[in-house]
Amino acid sequence: NAGVTQTPKFQVLKTGQSMTLQCAQDMNHEYMSWYRQDPGMGLRLIHYSVGAGITDQGEVPNGYNVSRSTTEDFPLRLLSAAPSQTSVYFCASSYVGREKLFFGSGTQLSVL
Amino acid sequence: ELKVEQNPLFLSMQEGKNYTIYCNYSTTSDRLYWYRQDPGKSLESLFVLLSNGAVKQEGRLMASLDTKARLSTLHITAAVHDLSATYFCAVDIGGSNYKLTFGKGTLLTVNP
Repeated sequence: NAGVTQTPKFQVLKTGQSMTLQCAQDMNHEYMSWYRQDPGMGLRLIHYSVGAGITDQGEVPNGYNVSRSTTEDFPLRLLSAAPSQTSVYFCASSYVGREKLFFGSGTQLSVL
Repeated sequence: ELKVEQNPLFLSMQEGKNYTIYCNYSTTSDRLYWYRQDPGKSLESLFVLLSNGAVKQEGRLMASLDTKARLSTLHITAAVHDLSATYFCAVDIGGSNYKLTFGKGTLLTVNP
């Protein structure tokens, strides 16, 4: 099993550009989520989903959109990138949202 | 708003010594997680603590949960260099809320 796969691993954007971070899991997990990690801040939840067609906001949702059309995929969209969105982004999944999270390898995003 | 506080944030210890990392949280919860992150890497699950008094051990790490005190501890016994990493606790307040809140992490450095 591949587990949780995130692409790309690195990305540099200019302010105002848009992009999509991809996340896919092959474990048939209902729960998927996106976190951002900033130095000294721990991980902060951006958006999460408990199944296809169901998404909800986390702690820091502004500037990000998500959708969940399939169980396997949970892409994160940056509509108009800002320097404040420079961060490391992790996708994570689990069964039902109550078990341990399986994390992807992360995407390091820089917005200039 | 749930707050999760870890102490200490930085811990430098010698090999062979014992130490404890503390995780306090502000809202009633009976589910707490510990994760490990190596530098530049993703997070991996260490322990899931599901009820008051839960204790789990793996190798030189032992985690416990006191829901009445809203406190979890991660005890390190006879530290070795391979335990050097950042350790995060995360709290789930349960119910229909699937929002996992992470502490800021404890950077552990084990010196020879």
